[in-house]
Amino acid sequence: DIQLTQSPSFLSASVGDRVTITCRASQGISSYLAWYQQKPGKAPKLLIYAASTLQSGVPSRFSGSGSGTEFTLTISSLQPEDFATYYCQQLNSYPFTFGPGTKVDIK
Amino acid sequence: QVQLQESGPGLVKPSETLSLTCAVSGYSISSGYYWGWIRQPPGKGLEWIGSIYHSGSTYYNPSLKSRVTISVDTSKNQFSLKLSSVTAADTAVYYCARQFRFGTDYWGQGTLVTVSS
Repeated sequence: DIQLTQSPSFLSASVGDRVTITCRASQGISSYLAWYQQKPGKAPKLLIYAASTLQSGVPSRFSGSGSGTEFTLTISSLQPEDFATYYCQQLNSYPFTFGPGTKVDIK
Repeated sequence: QVQLQESGPGLVKPSETLSLTCAVSGYSISSGYYWGWIRQPPGKGLEWIGSIYHSGSTYYNPSLKSRVTISVDTSKNQFSLKLSSVTAADTAVYYCARQFRFGTDYWGQGTLVTVSS
């Protein structure tokens, strides 16, 4: 199985901050990586797919980059509604594993 | 608008079989995409369980493969999950979702299944 790690696991930030989350894969996954946002009690929401493509309806302050084994999710200016947990998922090969998550909290 | 809705018992006894159904509206399963199940134990991360293509091809997480069956009923536009020999470790919120090659774009609201006697 391909293992995904995320850093940091927890992030405290203020509204307006630029936030970057990293996802690393245990082996190359090309661009088969997606990012999700999950709020308490809710299903995950797709933000980015194919490593850097913004899902329809997602604000442009979210962006993704990377390929191979290292990927980043960036929020250019953190908004109050962005406080949540973020997960990466690889879809290069089965099983489609998720990263452990990064919780973004209010400073 | 594509919508998915999980249904099934919220409480299952240990050693029994967990059975959930996902009803899809706004899109015909027969038209394509993969349809999958993901679970999340309380307070923990996401675990991909498996997926099925509209043709019936299935892909399972090896960690659960011996206990999992995913099936599709295109006439009812729904797909199902069966997980046998459950233990307390299978207690989780179970999500059904639509999956494409690069991501999972539509999710059900999730249903909590508790394994307890």
